[in-house]
Amino acid sequence: ELKVEQNPLFLSMQEGKNYTIYCNYSTTSDRLYWYRQDPGKSLESLFVLLSNGAVKQEGRLMASLDTKARLSTLHITAAVHDLSATYFCAPKGNFNKFYFGSGTKLNVKP
Amino acid sequence: KAGVTQTPRYLIKTRGQQVTLSCSPISGHRSVSWYQQTPGQGLQFLFEYFSETQRNKGNFPGRFSGRQFSNSRSEMNVSTLELGDSALYLCASSSGGGGDGYTFGSGTRLTVV
Repeated sequence: ELKVEQNPLFLSMQEGKNYTIYCNYSTTSDRLYWYRQDPGKSLESLFVLLSNGAVKQEGRLMASLDTKARLSTLHITAAVHDLSATYFCAPKGNFNKFYFGSGTKLNVKP
Repeated sequence: KAGVTQTPRYLIKTRGQQVTLSCSPISGHRSVSWYQQTPGQGLQFLFEYFSETQRNKGNFPGRFSGRQFSNSRSEMNVSTLELGDSALYLCASSSGGGGDGYTFGSGTRLTVV
């Protein structure tokens, strides 16, 4: 079964700073999603990465995928308080099933 | 277009009771997956239904069951509730083919007392 490891699990950062969340997974996967979850709310899809070297950017968030290293990153540029949330990566495993990491709880302090 | 609808949003049940949760996927989506989310265990996959058939199953006891109707709506049932079943239950819909991602519903918050 595909195992997913995200780190860090908790991230507290100041506004204006940059940081990267890492998502490692154990077996080959041909696509990976990043989701955002606000407290008490559901998960919202941010990015889908479909191939090795794929890079997607939206606002201050940029996601990338290295399928050979089985690694995806979510880079935050010049963080703002509105980005405070929990972020999940989810690579696709067999039988169209997605496996979720433990999530990274991001707190951006003003 | 309408999103994924889960009902009820909140539920309080007593140990030993049973509960049924409902999920209506996005129109045209044939796959419905269910996840349990708790602070300690994170997001855990329960099962997936596609065209009225269970296609994938997670590692949950038999007290957890589900079904899907011909209109793709899905229900999840938990019998003999335990305190540890308290969680946010999320339903996710997808077209079901090719590994396209999920659209999640707002979830049902179940509290077992």
